Amino acid sequence: DGGITQSPKYLFRKEGQNVTLSCEQNLNHDAMYWYRQDPGQGLRLIYYSQIVNDFQKGDIAEGYSVSREKKESFPLTVTSAQKNPTAFYLCATSTGQGSPLHFGNGTRLTVT
Amino acid sequence: GEDVEQSLFLSVREGDSSVINCTYTDSSSTYLYWYKQEPGAGLQLLTYIFSNMDMKQDQRLTVLLNKKDKHLSLRIADTQTGDSAIYFCAEISSGGSYIPTFGRGTSLIVHP
Repeated sequence: DGGITQSPKYLFRKEGQNVTLSCEQNLNHDAMYWYRQDPGQGLRLIYYSQIVNDFQKGDIAEGYSVSREKKESFPLTVTSAQKNPTAFYLCATSTGQGSPLHFGNGTRLTVT
Repeated sequence: GEDVEQSLFLSVREGDSSVINCTYTDSSSTYLYWYKQEPGAGLQLLTYIFSNMDMKQDQRLTVLLNKKDKHLSLRIADTQTGDSAIYFCAEISSGGSYIPTFGRGTSLIVHP
């Protein structure tokens, strides 16, 4: 069954800890994206990768890091430098060049 | 930069038609998409339209594009309670990196 898997669905961390969110896809899509969603603010792009071993900062990359060592995987690390990490995080993929994005079911991160 | 605007809320009665509107500023927008997000889930692609089209119909969904006014609308016929969700408009321009710009989303509330 092809798709995008984000895990875990809910994640709780203490302030000051780094945390890594997983995103795995078996759609064979080249491009992968991380978005952050806060109530009433829509989607904000954190990082994206259009090819393995390459990625670019989005609009709100500060306090986040990513890697793209495999086509199937694009993990997002929320570091302790991120001032307001509590949010809903969405991973997406596409074949690129204007094709639509396909989204995972998201991870809700709560930092206290 | 590019901007996509949507009204934040729409309330309709079950069985009526819903019309969700979106305006965008990028004149080189080539691909325009509508996504649906149910609570706690990722975004689901509903439909799309290319900039060389005026209208697209898909079962209960009708997309209208007025390229001159940079206005996109999504009409849902015979709206049901299961249509209650947040609807996002997104555009991709052909002149850049093919990164989509999303609106903030319109919350559709369907009441009996």
